[in-house]
Amino acid sequence: QVQLVESGGGVVQPGRSLRLSCAASGFSFSSYGMHWVRQAPGKGLEWVAVISYDGSNKHYADFVKGRFTISRDISKKTLYLQMHTLRPEDTAVYYCAKANYYNAFDIWGLGTMVTVSS
Amino acid sequence: DIQMTQSPSTLSASVGDRVTITCRASQSISGWLAWYQQKPGKAPKLLIYDASSLQSGVPSGFSGSGSGTEFTLTISSLQPDDFATYYCQQYNSYPYTFGQGTKLEIK
Repeated sequence: QVQLVESGGGVVQPGRSLRLSCAASGFSFSSYGMHWVRQAPGKGLEWVAVISYDGSNKHYADFVKGRFTISRDISKKTLYLQMHTLRPEDTAVYYCAKANYYNAFDIWGLGTMVTVSS
Repeated sequence: DIQMTQSPSTLSASVGDRVTITCRASQSISGWLAWYQQKPGKAPKLLIYDASSLQSGVPSGFSGSGSGTEFTLTISSLQPDDFATYYCQQYNSYPYTFGQGTKLEIK
């Protein structure tokens, strides 16, 4: 079935790095844009980044520009989010999401929790 | 950045009620708007895309309307499973932005 499964979350100290992964299955991974969205504890949804279907275009939220990098490996059907210089305010559940042909997010992963704390 | 503002933030209603949630954009987003439902501890679920198109598998009691800067999500007859938090999202331009959410509670 169509599925996204995130991994790589955990507890990390401020200033350190972490890489999240999102394994896709059940659909043509190379045909769709992919996004990362986060949700701080008790807060709303916050868009983080997008990568185009072929990896040629990327956009980021201002609060992660220069610190986070989105990438994808078509052969492994996996989306990544490399996070550097993490801050306590980056603490959140991070979801990967697939864009449909209209750019709404029709498939979401279960999320992976990132906690930035000393 | 385009700001999305939902109202109300909290809505108390009963099973069988008809409810409407409003979402306003700080500038025109044409019809590039989606609505999501989220339950505690779960990932969001797409309900409506392109302002009024019902996502496959979503009950027909959900409907969306609007264009430009004002949009609505309507649930025609609340079911017990509908009590959740609802978010609007614009995908007209980057950075994509979400509304702050509307929590639909049981009265």
